[in-house]
Amino acid sequence: EAQVTQNPRYLITVTGKKLTVTCSQNMNHEYMSWYRQDPGLGLRQIYYSMNVEVTDKGDVPEGYKVSRKEKRNFPLILESPSPNQTSLYFCASSLSGQQPQHFGDGTRLSIL
Amino acid sequence: GEDVEQSLFLSVREGDSSVINCTYTDSSSTYLYWYKQEPGAGLQLLTYIFSNMDMKQDQRLTVLLNKKDKHLSLRIADTQTGDSAIYFCAESRDDMRFGAGTRLTVKP
Repeated sequence: EAQVTQNPRYLITVTGKKLTVTCSQNMNHEYMSWYRQDPGLGLRQIYYSMNVEVTDKGDVPEGYKVSRKEKRNFPLILESPSPNQTSLYFCASSLSGQQPQHFGDGTRLSIL
Repeated sequence: GEDVEQSLFLSVREGDSSVINCTYTDSSSTYLYWYKQEPGAGLQLLTYIFSNMDMKQDQRLTVLLNKKDKHLSLRIADTQTGDSAIYFCAESRDDMRFGAGTRLTVKP
């Protein structure tokens, strides 16, 4: 089954404690992306990747890092999380940046 | 301001038609999309339209595109309670840009 898998689905943690949200897709997609969803703001892009070892900043990259060492995986790293990063995060993938994106089920992060 | 704009709320009665509107700013957008998000779930692609089309119909869904006004709409015929969700409009150029989402509430 074609899918985008994020882990964990829920996480409550404290300020400053590094965390990683993993994202994996099994569709051999070249393009992957991370978004955060906040009430009234819709989805804002954090980082995206056009292919392996190619990553670019989206609209709200501050406080986040990503890596794309393999085609299927695109982890989101918060080196020193802060409360303003409390949000619902979605990973997505597609054949290219213009093609319809497949979304994961989301990761709800709460930073205390 | 946002590249893609949509109203935040829409409420209709079961059986009526729903029309969700969206405006975008980039005339070079290649595709325009509608996604549906149900509670606790990710975004699900509902339909999309290529920028050289004016209309696309798929069962109860009709998408209208007015390129001159940069206006996109989604019409849901015979709206059901199961259609209650948040609907996102999105445009794609090199990447995708989403509106803030319209929360559709369907009352019995």
